[in-house]
Amino acid sequence: LAKTTQPISMDSYEGQEVNITCSHNNIATNDYITWYQQFPSQGPRFIIQGYKTKVTNEVASLFIPADRKSSTLSLPRVSLSDTAVYYCLVGDLDSSYKLIFGSGTRLLVRP
Amino acid sequence: NAGVTQTPKFRILKIGQSMTLQCAQDMNHNYMYWYRQDPGMGLKLIYYSVGAGITDKGEVPNGYNVSRSTTEDFPLRLELAAPSQTSVYFCASVSDRVYGYTFGSGTRLTVV
Repeated sequence: LAKTTQPISMDSYEGQEVNITCSHNNIATNDYITWYQQFPSQGPRFIIQGYKTKVTNEVASLFIPADRKSSTLSLPRVSLSDTAVYYCLVGDLDSSYKLIFGSGTRLLVRP
Repeated sequence: NAGVTQTPKFRILKIGQSMTLQCAQDMNHNYMYWYRQDPGMGLKLIYYSVGAGITDKGEVPNGYNVSRSTTEDFPLRLELAAPSQTSVYFCASVSDRVYGYTFGSGTRLTVV
């Protein structure tokens, strides 16, 4: 199971683009990269998932370089409501069922 | 679709008491998980199940038990509650190939 490393916290201001990077040096061939968002007193919520290159949805973009040893979650024009903890998760359900969350990145968006 | 339903939402237990945290999902997901989250910390995996009748330990299984008699339900049992089990408990499920978890709203448990 690939271990992930993320910054503990990040600060930003409303309207800025925020990029959160996750390092996963021992990612396996069949592993996918998934990001979750968690607000206080709520369960994590799925944001985006990818395998390689770039994935974009209505909430965020996920950039994955060719070596797949890291990934970057990009949140365009953040608002105060984006203040949350963001988790990077790497794994493949076919080969590893023990999906482990890392410590996450606490993002604070200021006015 | 209700998704993942957890009951109760809040509970206060006395040391040594027992209780069962209920978790039910209506998405026909094979994989189900129990996590605990202490204040200001990340999620720790307690137990998981890959299908009815199959369960396995996660990172922090001591003091807990689970069963999976049906695809829909995955109850978590605390036999002898201890203050160290004060936490928020989240149940989650995921389908075989789609990676995104669906989480329940959590159960906040206090042991006094």
